[in-house]
Amino acid sequence: DVKVTQSSRYLVKRTGEKVFLECVQDMDHENMFWYRQDPGLGLRLIYFSYDVKMKEKGDIPEGYSVSREKKERFSLILESASTNQTSMYLCASRPRTGGTTGELFFGEGSRLTVL
Amino acid sequence: GQQLNQSPQSMFIQEGEDVSMNCTSSSIFNTWLWYKQDPGEGPVLLIALYKAGELTSNGRLTAQFGITRKDSFLNISASIPSDVGIYFCGRGTSYGKLTFGQGTILTVHP
Repeated sequence: DVKVTQSSRYLVKRTGEKVFLECVQDMDHENMFWYRQDPGLGLRLIYFSYDVKMKEKGDIPEGYSVSREKKERFSLILESASTNQTSMYLCASRPRTGGTTGELFFGEGSRLTVL
Repeated sequence: GQQLNQSPQSMFIQEGEDVSMNCTSSSIFNTWLWYKQDPGEGPVLLIALYKAGELTSNGRLTAQFGITRKDSFLNISASIPSDVGIYFCGRGTSYGKLTFGQGTILTVHP
């Protein structure tokens, strides 16, 4: 079974702190994604990566950066956390295919609270 | 930005009732996917649709890809308590990234 593991289920940080959210997948998937989930807004794409050291902005990249130094690991970074970044963060991965579709495999999520 | 409109936002139903939710888009897409998120978990794929008009079932779940390629619906028949969760529609774009709807929160009363 595909396993996408997010390092922390719950985090509480203070405004201005630097925050790292780590995600590891064990199925050698090329593509990895970070989404943010908020009530009434669904899942919104922050950043994605289709290869090591490659990254693309999603729909809401402001205030975030990412790092993909190894194929299995995709990190989301909040350089200076703000209260409006309090949210559930979901990591996902999928293999590269020739088409535009395909199942995304999600982690269990990391709930971040910024005080 | 997000271009999918999913409705309803929430549903409260009795066990045994049928459920219907839908997703519409302002653009044409080649793929519709339906995901379910159980409480405390990440979303899991339920059904994938790849062709206009396609009707696909997965147990008590049925989903259809609209003829216009701008909409899709998901039906759940004879709901049970474990159907509780958030249901998301999604459409595929380049690099396999998905854009999702706002989600439908389903509550089933025993």
